[in-house]
Amino acid sequence: NAGVMQNPRHLVRRRGQEARLRCSPMKGHSHVYWYRQLPEEGLKFMVYLQKENIIDESGMPKERFSAEFPKEGPSILRIQQVVRGDSAAYFCASSPAGNPSEQYFGPGTRLTVT
Amino acid sequence: GQQLNQSPQSMFIQEGEDVSMNCTSSSIFNTWLWYKQDPGEGPVLLIALYKAGELTSNGRLTAQFGITRKDSFLNISASIPSDVGIYFCAGPQGGSEKLVFGKGTKLTVNP
Repeated sequence: NAGVMQNPRHLVRRRGQEARLRCSPMKGHSHVYWYRQLPEEGLKFMVYLQKENIIDESGMPKERFSAEFPKEGPSILRIQQVVRGDSAAYFCASSPAGNPSEQYFGPGTRLTVT
Repeated sequence: GQQLNQSPQSMFIQEGEDVSMNCTSSSIFNTWLWYKQDPGEGPVLLIALYKAGELTSNGRLTAQFGITRKDSFLNISASIPSDVGIYFCAGPQGGSEKLVFGKGTKLTVNP
């Protein structure tokens, strides 16, 4: 059973460009979460999605950030017009229906904005 | 929002020693999770605790869910070099599915 997959693992963008981060949950998991981690910090919740629905986006910045989890394909976290402060590690997690607290994390995407 | 305070921030120990770290909160959590993160990787779930007073083991790791539901402890016995990493406690915020994380305890094991 493959784990949570994320790609790319590393992404470099210039200021003003767009970043698209992809996440494929574990097989059988219908809940997806995105978290952001700054250096020397713990993970901070961004958004929680189920297929075709955003359940909770209370941790997402109001502008430039969006997320989706379509019926087919991976979940996408999209950051438009990136700024240096967006540089961080972005982690996706998935959990099985009925036990949303038991979240399994992918290897992350390290975004660097130059 | 709810916060989790982990201590110590870092530990330097000799191989073979036992390790203890803890996590506290000013508010109640109904689930406590312990994760380990290796450099450049995502957190890996080590132990999940669902009941106050619960004591759960996973190999050399033992974690306890505090009776007050405001704290949790993780112990590692007979440490080995591959125990090196950052250990995070986490719990669902306000009964929701989103997790709040502590800032981590960084463990270094000297062979």
